[in-house]
Amino acid sequence: GENVEQHPSTLSVQEGDSAVIKCTYSDSASNYFPWYKQELGKGPQLIIDIRSNVGEKKDQRIAVTLNKTAKHFSLHITETQPEDSAVYFCAASIRGGGADGLTFGKGTHLIIQP
Amino acid sequence: DTEVTQTPKHLVMGMTNKKSLKCEQHMGHRAMYWYKQKAKKPPELMFVYSYEKLSINESVPSRFSPECPNSSLLNLHLHALQPEDSALYLCASSQDEAGRAQSSYNEQFFGPGTRLTVL
Repeated sequence: GENVEQHPSTLSVQEGDSAVIKCTYSDSASNYFPWYKQELGKGPQLIIDIRSNVGEKKDQRIAVTLNKTAKHFSLHITETQPEDSAVYFCAASIRGGGADGLTFGKGTHLIIQP
Repeated sequence: DTEVTQTPKHLVMGMTNKKSLKCEQHMGHRAMYWYKQKAKKPPELMFVYSYEKLSINESVPSRFSPECPNSSLLNLHLHALQPEDSALYLCASSQDEAGRAQSSYNEQFFGPGTRLTVL
């Protein structure tokens, strides 16, 4: 089955700086890569996703890049703010167009220092 | 309505009890999911329903019994649980358009979860 590795496990950055979280996956058949933000006591919230036919996607301060050859994808958050503090999970899925479970990375605890 | 709701928010049960977790969505999604999340761990897939039929069971013990009575509802029936089953149980939903490779139809939206404690 799919295996997703995520680094770092904890990331502390100064407010206003950028944060980068990296993930690798094992199954070359995976074609859908979402990122979730989870705040304490809440369910995961989808913040951005990317499909295998695209190399980069941006949404305001958040961007995701995908390198299918190397089987890795990254989340970039610019101009970080205190409300960005949370646990971030990357995930991968094989059946990008159908019902399929997600395989998650272990998560990154992002801490924004004021 | 763009949210997934789950009830109850918290549940405490003994090992001999029978209880049920409920999940509801009104986004017209035809795929629904149960995940289990232990503290400081990622969500782990338990079950997938597609068009009200169980399509994936990730070797979950039989003390967990899922049910999808209609396209908007998903239940998880619990019986004879163990203390190690204590976790956050998350429900998610997505559209299910199998065969569409280039679409947004696999975006999974999660509910807030049910925090389960087994004594």
